[in-house]
Amino acid sequence: EPEVTQTPSHQVTQMGQEVILRCVPISNHLYFYWYRQILGQKVEFLVSFYNNEISEKSEIFDDQFSVERPDGSNFTLKIRSTKLEDSAMYFCASSELVTNREQFFGPGTRLTVL
Amino acid sequence: AQSVTQLDSQVPVFEEAPVELRCNYSSSVSVYLFWYVQYPNQGLQLLLKYLSGSTLVKGINGFEAEFNKSQTSFHLRKPSVHISDTAEYFCAVSDLGGGGNKLTFGTGTQLKVEL
Repeated sequence: EPEVTQTPSHQVTQMGQEVILRCVPISNHLYFYWYRQILGQKVEFLVSFYNNEISEKSEIFDDQFSVERPDGSNFTLKIRSTKLEDSAMYFCASSELVTNREQFFGPGTRLTVL
Repeated sequence: AQSVTQLDSQVPVFEEAPVELRCNYSSSVSVYLFWYVQYPNQGLQLLLKYLSGSTLVKGINGFEAEFNKSQTSFHLRKPSVHISDTAEYFCAVSDLGGGGNKLTFGTGTQLKVEL
C-alpha cells in the first residue's frame, strides 16, 4: 500500500541553524501539507501546497518557514533559523483530491532544537 | 474559525468493554469530520470520516461514529475494545470551503485498554 515517507525520523540542531525536513508524498497525490505537534499538545496545521504554490498557511508559518517541491517526488519544509520553540514532531500529509478530503500522514520527523 | 473539543484526555477501559470517545466541534460553516488514530511512534491513520449522507459512519477496526448536527458532536464508539486499540485518538474538522483543506485537530484522547 502506498504511504507517505519522511526523513529524517529525528533531527537534532542548534538554535539559529537551518533545517530541511523532507517528505515523499504518495505519487498520484496533488495536495500536500505540513503539520506540527509540540510535545503534549494538539496537532497544528502549518501550510498546504497545491500546483506549486501555497494555498493556505497558518499564523505559525511565518517568514522563517518555507516549503518547496523541488522535483516530482519530494516536498520539503525549511526552517531558516531555528528557535527552541520549534522543537516538535513535524508531520507531512498528502491527499489525492480536495473532494474526498482524506489526508494520508507520514510517520513524522522529531525536531529537537538545543 | 473552527475548533474541536475532546473533553476526555484519557479513557481507561477493560478489554472487551464498550467505549465512547467524545468530540464536539464549533464552526460557523458546514464541516467535514474525521477521527484519526496515532499508535506510539507512528503517524496519524484515518479511522473514519463524515462528508455527507448517513450520519452513522463505520470505519476500520470496528469503530463507528455518529454525526449529530444539532449537538455539534461526532463521538467515536466501539462495542468491544481490544488491547491493540490502545492509542491516541484525534478528532478533526475541515470546512467545506476554501482551497487549503486544512484539518483542525482536537487535543486528543488517550485510550488505554487494560486486561
